Amino acid sequence: AQSVTQLGSHVSVSEGALVLLRCNYSSSVPPYLFWYVQYPNQGLQLLLKYTTGATLVKGINGFEAEFKKSETSFHLTKPSAHMSDAAEYFCAVSEGNTGNQFYFGTGTSLTVIP
Amino acid sequence: DTAVSQTPKYLVTQMGNDKSIKCEQNLGHDTMYWYKQDSKKFLKIMFSYNNKELIINETVPNRFSPKSPDKAHLNLHINSLELGDSAVYFCASSGEQVAEAFFGQGTRLTVV
Repeated sequence: AQSVTQLGSHVSVSEGALVLLRCNYSSSVPPYLFWYVQYPNQGLQLLLKYTTGATLVKGINGFEAEFKKSETSFHLTKPSAHMSDAAEYFCAVSEGNTGNQFYFGTGTSLTVIP
Repeated sequence: DTAVSQTPKYLVTQMGNDKSIKCEQNLGHDTMYWYKQDSKKFLKIMFSYNNKELIINETVPNRFSPKSPDKAHLNLHINSLELGDSAVYFCASSGEQVAEAFFGQGTRLTVV
């Protein structure tokens, strides 16, 4: 069985500060890992993904995440927060097979303080 | 062109009514999903279809019935709507050539 834990349902950072959103997963097979962002009244948009290869992955809008197998983590970071980063962020895991389920964390709401 | 499109975007209806939400994807994906997002933003898988065949059917009331006329469409029909059905419903799709799921814009269902 797979599951995702996002520590911190609400995170506040000052504009220009480091953004760190935490994600830990459990999976019985090598996982595919994802971060999605949801802006108000919109659908989920893919920020970045890890499937295989390089463990540090870069995504859109300056975000990146590192897959750490030993820690079963896939934390999302951005060096400098912008006001436009305020949104809901979801970490997800799948087994990577066609038709497989995507398991989502409970989400982290990011607030950026001017 | 919108990759995954859902209609309607908003749906307000009375308890006891029957309603449908339509979903279409133009990505050529083989797998489509329905997710329910509650007021706390939690995303729960409801159904998954692969090439028109049901492969995931999580514990949802049998008032919810998905229908996939072809692999580009996955509609959700809900009978006898209840107040607790109020939520945002998302359609998504994925395929063999991509790892991620692509989401529609959501349908906000309000049952009054």
